[in-house]
Amino acid sequence: DAGVIQSPRHEVTEMGQEVTLRCKPISGHNSLFWYRQTMMRGLELLIYFNNNVPIDDSGMPEDRFSAKMPNASFSTLKIQPSEPRDSAVYFCASSLARGGGSTDTQYFGPGTRLTVL
Amino acid sequence: AQTVTQSQPEMSVQEAETVTLSCTYDTSENNYYLFWYKQPPSRQMILVIRQEAYKQQNATENRFSVNFQKAAKSFSLKISDSQLGDTAMYFCAFMFNFGNEKLTFGTGTRLTIIP
Repeated sequence: DAGVIQSPRHEVTEMGQEVTLRCKPISGHNSLFWYRQTMMRGLELLIYFNNNVPIDDSGMPEDRFSAKMPNASFSTLKIQPSEPRDSAVYFCASSLARGGGSTDTQYFGPGTRLTVL
Repeated sequence: AQTVTQSQPEMSVQEAETVTLSCTYDTSENNYYLFWYKQPPSRQMILVIRQEAYKQQNATENRFSVNFQKAAKSFSLKISDSQLGDTAMYFCAFMFNFGNEKLTFGTGTRLTIIP
């Protein structure tokens, strides 16, 4: 299995620019998660989807952040306009949610290191 | 809201020794999951071990085992016969059982295995 695929691995941009991060979950998984990791705040969930529908977006910082999942094999996280405080590592993860209180492990991608100058 | 606390920011141990990483959590729920993830310098998040709260038996995975104390809300990770490849950040994480798959992470423990 290819695992969770994220692109790009590194992104350097200037303040005010639009940034799009991409994720391909593990085939067959029906839940997808976006996490952000910073020194100050640690690892925090931004948003997650189940069967392509956003379930919990309470961690999305503000309107500058948006996430989409147009199909079961692709998701994007967009920041527009970007700011220096958005600099972080962004992880995508996927799992197979079986429902009825049963949950599978979340498998993480390699992350995208974003630097906003 | 659930919180996860890892009180040891850094630890180091000699190769082949045993080390225990601490984790406590706070929740009012009865059914939940607990996880330990490892993040080596490559920054990849790798699952080490998981525990279902309804199971009394402590989970084990080869050299990794947990001491799950539900009443005390404690979930420590023991690494036996530590190896150089165990050098990494270790994160404890909590997930509520029903309705939301959100993982809440602790702040991590940086473990260094000394040759």
